[in-house]
Amino acid sequence: SQTIHQWPATLVQPVGSPLSLECTVEGTSNPNLYWYRQAAGRGLQLLFYSVGIGQISSEVPQNLSASRPQDRQFILSSKKLLLSDSGFYLCAWSYRAYTEAFFGQGTRLTVV
Amino acid sequence: LAKTTQPISMDSYEGQEVNITCSHNNIATNDYITWYQQFPSQGPRFIIQGYKTKVTNEVASLFIPADRKSSTLSLPRVSLSDTAVYYCLVGDIRGNTNAGKSTFGDGTTLTVKP
Repeated sequence: SQTIHQWPATLVQPVGSPLSLECTVEGTSNPNLYWYRQAAGRGLQLLFYSVGIGQISSEVPQNLSASRPQDRQFILSSKKLLLSDSGFYLCAWSYRAYTEAFFGQGTRLTVV
Repeated sequence: LAKTTQPISMDSYEGQEVNITCSHNNIATNDYITWYQQFPSQGPRFIIQGYKTKVTNEVASLFIPADRKSSTLSLPRVSLSDTAVYYCLVGDIRGNTNAGKSTFGDGTTLTVKP
């Protein structure tokens, strides 16, 4: 069966520090991968998606970047965190864009 | 931009049927309608997806009228554990539609009372 792992579950980082969140998928190959951010009490905002290794589409220009160094690995990064980067970050995968998406458990990021 | 509109919140009681309606007036010809459920501090979970008429699975039904400008998620005999936020998404998981980008929106918070 397919599983998605996302870590860490919670993270507190000072303003100006770097960020690296990792997401890995097991049990499937060539998945579509996604990074979302959710502000408290709000819906999900798509940040990045990838249809293959090295192929990243950015949805919202901001302080973050994403990379896909391996088929089932998706990394969200920042060189210098801002207070506004705080939120709940979710990784997801799907077979295709229109098919069911499977989400990780999320990372609660607090920038202080 | 493709946009969905849902009620912000709904209350129900255990054992009742709950219907949550989503409006999507700008839905494009190739768009699917997908519903997700989210519990606090967890990722959303797929519930059901449809294109037209009616779709039913083991947890819910999805009703889509002929004009496809709205859809209704029906949860039969809800329990306390169905308390969650429900999102309606038009297009695909990237939010792309032929009518422009769509997003998850703020969802409907369903509270099931004993």
